[in-house]
Amino acid sequence: EDQVTQSPEALRLQEGESSSLNCSYTVSGLRGLFWYRQDPGKGPEFLFTLYSAGEEKEKERLKATLTKKESFLHITAPKPEDSATYLCAVLIPGAQKLVFGQGTRLTINP
Amino acid sequence: GAGVSQSPSNKVTEKGKDVELRCDPISGHTALYWYRQSLGQGLEFLIYFQGNSAPDKSGLPSDRFSAERTGGSVSTLTIQRTQQEDSAVYLCASSKRRDSTNEQFFGPGTRLTVL
Repeated sequence: EDQVTQSPEALRLQEGESSSLNCSYTVSGLRGLFWYRQDPGKGPEFLFTLYSAGEEKEKERLKATLTKKESFLHITAPKPEDSATYLCAVLIPGAQKLVFGQGTRLTINP
Repeated sequence: GAGVSQSPSNKVTEKGKDVELRCDPISGHTALYWYRQSLGQGLEFLIYFQGNSAPDKSGLPSDRFSAERTGGSVSTLTIQRTQQEDSAVYLCASSKRRDSTNEQFFGPGTRLTVL
């Protein structure tokens, strides 16, 4: 069964304290792994798509990496405005739907 | 530019009533998706449209749920005889074309509360 597991469920950091969020997946023939940010009361906001192992993408303080079994979202020197829930999703082969993990709720304290 | 819009933003209804939720995708996006996000649950896929046809309805939880899309644009998700377990945020997303590697862009969602 295609599964996406994110860890940790919640993470509290001090401003400037770098860390990483994990997304592990069990999908045969990955066609894309997506990272989204979701703020309370809003829809998910697209961040990155990764397609193959070894690929990396960066945006401001965020960097996403991909291996054959997992993806990491590295956050460097975070600021309070980076507080949000970060969602990971994979595209199911032979279908158009995304399968999402449960998300990591990130809180950055000033 | 304009993103995906959804209406209403909030809907409170009584158990047993029918509700309609609307989605306006990004202009030019041919693919449209409905997802549901319940408290404590992740996002669950409901249905996918390519143009006006729905090749994948596998996520619709029961025959009380239906959706249509007209003119390759606006989509409506209808829930008949609502139940309390239907309470959730219903999210719509769109992407540029059939190519599944295109990113899906989400609307703000409709929060449905069934009393």
